[in-house]
Amino acid sequence: EIVLTQSPGTLSLSPGERATLSCRASQSLSSSNLAWYQQKAGQAPRLLIYGASSRATGIPDRFSGTGSGTDFTLIISRLEPEDFAVYYCQQYHNFRTFGQGTEVEIK
Amino acid sequence: EVQLLESGGGLVQPGGSLRLSCAASGFTSSSSVISWLRQAPGKGLEWVSTIDPIGDRTYYADSVQGRFSISRDNSKNTVYLQVNSLRIEDTAVYYCAKDRSNPYDAFDVWGQGTVVTVSS
Repeated sequence: EIVLTQSPGTLSLSPGERATLSCRASQSLSSSNLAWYQQKAGQAPRLLIYGASSRATGIPDRFSGTGSGTDFTLIISRLEPEDFAVYYCQQYHNFRTFGQGTEVEIK
Repeated sequence: EVQLLESGGGLVQPGGSLRLSCAASGFTSSSSVISWLRQAPGKGLEWVSTIDPIGDRTYYADSVQGRFSISRDNSKNTVYLQVNSLRIEDTAVYYCAKDRSNPYDAFDVWGQGTVVTVSS
């Protein structure tokens, strides 16, 4: 099983600041089979990024994904009030597994 | 609009069973890989099971292997998850989701979830 480890667990930032979230895989993900999701309380997750760096339909360009192999990053360039949420990475290289999540909270 | 709608959740005693349904609309579900995922209260997301478009291939997480069974009826645009021998730790919101493309990809459409509570 591929284990995904996200860091930090919680990120405390102010609106307008830059958020950098990390996801590390226990083995290399060929073809960058990694996605990022945003989840707000009481809602289903929403796909943000697939293929490590491609934005899903309708996702603002302040969200960007980078990385390959075992190390991946989600960057939110300028936090908007609606961006405070929990973010999960997920691999689809070998079945499916999720990281434990990073909460982005208002400082 | 592309949508998935889950139903069938409820309160059940340990050892009990339920059949969850995932009804698709706005797209041809028979051409899509569909998965079930779950989220226990206050916890993260867990993949549960996946079925290919035809229904020939099914996959399960170790935690549910032998107890859960995924199937589909493409004439009804519906995917099912039969959950048997339920345990307290199966309590969760159960989501269905579709792959963005075939054969396997990120989940681009999610349902709103159905709640399964296992308690005596």
